[in-house]
Amino acid sequence: DAKTTQPPSMDCAEGRAANLPCNHSTISGNEYVYWYRQIHSQGPQYIIHGLKNNETNEMASLIITEDRKSSTLILPHATLRDTAVYYCIVRSYGGSQGNLIFGKGTKLSVKP
Amino acid sequence: KAGVTQTPRYLIKTRGQQVTLSCSPISGHRSVSWYQQTPGQGLQFLFEYFSETQRNKGNFPGRFSGRQFSNSRSEMNVSTLELGDSALYLCASSFPGEGYTFGSGTRLTVV
Repeated sequence: DAKTTQPPSMDCAEGRAANLPCNHSTISGNEYVYWYRQIHSQGPQYIIHGLKNNETNEMASLIITEDRKSSTLILPHATLRDTAVYYCIVRSYGGSQGNLIFGKGTKLSVKP
Repeated sequence: KAGVTQTPRYLIKTRGQQVTLSCSPISGHRSVSWYQQTPGQGLQFLFEYFSETQRNKGNFPGRFSGRQFSNSRSEMNVSTLELGDSALYLCASSFPGEGYTFGSGTRLTVV
């Protein structure tokens, strides 16, 4: 079973920031938080990952709470092309890479 | 650089037949994983290969098998196809410490 809980759906206005929450209250000390998204009928796309510090890349920012029990993915200026299902996943890093356990994700709809 | 390439993109098979799907990872990636995606079950892990060895396996029947070649290319095989095997089959490759890069998938329809 997935170790994360996400809202099933969210709406966001085009040009505004999209903040997608994720709860992972049972996360272990050696587990990272990964975010992927899947646009309809395509393979999932890696967005960002982090351990305990906030992370930012060209696609998004990841904010992880101090107790690491939850995180938020931020798309700073959402566009229509960001409409997708967003998956939050926790997994160990390194060694046997292991598998990604996908939950149901959050369906983000960006509206004009 | 070229992404993960899966062939074929679409496939229609009859119940009882077998099928082989192919995946070419990103150059330099030695880890290849396979996933099945269905509307009912979502994305489920099938197996992972690293340097020609199966490293992890999901909870699927023995009809599902795979292998990896010395050039890191991978194939998965499903024997005695059932209607419930209709799905999008996704392959992903990665370099240690990086996120997985997925291919566009092979959509298998069993009739």
